[in-house]
Amino acid sequence: DVKVTQSSRYLVKRTGEKVFLECVQDMDHENMFWYRQDPGLGLRLIYFSYDVKMKEKGDIPEGYSVSREKKERFSLILESASTNQTSMYLCASRPTTRGGRGETQYFGPGTRLLVL
Amino acid sequence: TQLLEQSPQFLSIQEGENLTVYCNSSSVFSSLQWYRQEPGEGPVLLVTVVTGGEVKKLKRLTFQFGDARKDSSLHITAAQPGDTGLYLCAGEGDSNYQLIWGAGTKLIIKP
Repeated sequence: DVKVTQSSRYLVKRTGEKVFLECVQDMDHENMFWYRQDPGLGLRLIYFSYDVKMKEKGDIPEGYSVSREKKERFSLILESASTNQTSMYLCASRPTTRGGRGETQYFGPGTRLLVL
Repeated sequence: TQLLEQSPQFLSIQEGENLTVYCNSSSVFSSLQWYRQEPGEGPVLLVTVVTGGEVKKLKRLTFQFGDARKDSSLHITAAQPGDTGLYLCAGEGDSNYQLIWGAGTKLIIKP
């Protein structure tokens, strides 16, 4: 079974703090994604990575950065946390068989971040 | 910009009733996926539909992809409390990497 793990289930941080969210997948997938999920808004893509050291901005990259130094690990960084970044953060991975078309995204359990 | 409109946003029904969730767009998708998410967990794939007009069944769940590949529906027959969850549709559009997500349907089945 594919396993995607996230470093924390719950986090409470103060405004201005630097926040690291880590995601690890064990299936040698090339693609990894970071989403945030807010009620009524569905999943919004923050960043994705299609290979080691490669990254692309998603729909809402402002205030976030990412790092992918190893294939299995994709980190999301909030440089200076703000209250509007309070959300559920979901990491996902996906293979690129057939160019990734129609392939399943496998999600971690999510990190619920509260910024005070 | 490709968008997927999902409806209804919220549905609460009694056990044994039938229901349908819709995902609609003005854009064509090469495939469409349905996920279910339970509280405190990430979404899990239920099904992928690829061909226009395709119908797939998963026990009491029936998924249909529109002929023009612009819309999809999920029909649940005789809903059970175990069907409770957030249902998300996601379309594969122009980008090789990015899925277009619907806002989700929160479904509650009361015993």
